[in-house]
Amino acid sequence: SFELTQPPSVSVSPGQTARISCSGDALALQFVYWYQQKPGQAPVVLIYKDNKRPSGIPERFSGSSSGTAVTLTISGVQAEDEADYYCQSSDSSGTWVFGGGTKLTVL
Amino acid sequence: VQLVQSGADVKKPGASVKVSCKASGYSFISDDINWVRQAPGQGLEWMGWMNPNNGNTGYAQKLQGRVTMTRNPSINTAYMELSSLTSEDTAVYYCAKSGDQGFDTWGQGTLVIVSS
Repeated sequence: SFELTQPPSVSVSPGQTARISCSGDALALQFVYWYQQKPGQAPVVLIYKDNKRPSGIPERFSGSSSGTAVTLTISGVQAEDEADYYCQSSDSSGTWVFGGGTKLTVL
Repeated sequence: VQLVQSGADVKKPGASVKVSCKASGYSFISDDINWVRQAPGQGLEWMGWMNPNNGNTGYAQKLQGRVTMTRNPSINTAYMELSSLTSEDTAVYYCAKSGDQGFDTWGQGTLVIVSS
């Protein structure tokens, strides 16, 4: 299997832009998904297939990819965006992997 | 679209636990059901997937031999059974269906505590 690496924490002030990275050797070949998880709640998908946003997800959430590194960008961060964020991808055998998670703190 | 899981459970080391996940609001056999667990204060760990239509499964290598995923299509319910429990299996266990948009619907989570 492969691994996905995320920074443990990111801090931003309200209204600023937060960028959360996710890297892994297999990312160049597979789609990446991003999830938001607030305390005591199940995760929610924010971004699918690298850069697509499900209906109901605010436009301030966006995803981008470049080779083996992908980034979740949150523009105009709001207090309610304080949460844990996880990237996810799969390998060719259908095994799914999550990154270790990034705790976003809104200062 | 909803996935509703069984309630919390406490097990002794060495025992097995079986968690259920009842689907509603969509065709149960159309999307894979995955199981994901989260130990206290830790990240998400994918455990495996199951195709509710034919029962095919795929498990995380770490859990091979201890985890079994099954389903009962007549009642739109998926099950995850984990055996030979240790304290390291204490976690919240989630079912989630996977479609074109990733893991798009999650159950509410089931807390399993392994303690003597």
